[in-house]
Amino acid sequence: AQSVTQLDSQVPVFEEAPVELRCNYSSSVSVYLFWYVQYPNQGLQLLLKYLSGSTLVKGINGFEAEFNKSQTSFHLRKPSVHISDTAEYFCAVTANFGNEKLTFGTGTRLTIIP
Amino acid sequence: DGGITQSPKYLFRKEGQNVTLSCEQNLNHDAMYWYRQDPGQGLRLIYYSQIVNDFQKGDIAEGYSVSREKKESFPLTVTSAQKNPTAFYLCASSIDLAGFYNEQFFGPGTRLTVL
Repeated sequence: AQSVTQLDSQVPVFEEAPVELRCNYSSSVSVYLFWYVQYPNQGLQLLLKYLSGSTLVKGINGFEAEFNKSQTSFHLRKPSVHISDTAEYFCAVTANFGNEKLTFGTGTRLTIIP
Repeated sequence: DGGITQSPKYLFRKEGQNVTLSCEQNLNHDAMYWYRQDPGQGLRLIYYSQIVNDFQKGDIAEGYSVSREKKESFPLTVTSAQKNPTAFYLCASSIDLAGFYNEQFFGPGTRLTVL
């Protein structure tokens, strides 16, 4: 089974500052990794995903994440945040074979300070 | 536009009543899922279905039931046996029949409150 830890439940950041949202996973097999964003009272939207290949993955809205197998991490970054980035961000993991379920982290609430 | 619709957006239920949440998709996806979201707990899988007339329990299926009579529809019934049903419920779908690694598309959610 896989598990995900999002180390920060809340992250406040000033507008136009950089941000990193941390995600660590645990798995005994190779994995696929995802970051989703949830705006208030809405469903989740995929930001980016790592399936294979380059460990640096670029997503929508200027976000990117780096897969680090040795540190079992998949941190999400943005060089300059905007007010519209205020949302909750979820990291998710699944094994890369078979009918394995997607396991979500508990989420990180990103608040942008004007 | 293709997507997933959930209805109603807000739902109120008295204790002891069953209630059914609707989920419809026009993405031609084979797989559909129901999640429950509580503050600080992330998303927990209730049920999933990878083909019509077949579905499997997720991590927290007790007190819930589903059906999958049509590819487009995956309704969730919250029964009176669910002890703490107040939560935000999310429906999702994905293309792939074989597993969970394909991108899941989410509906806007239904917020259920038990009075």
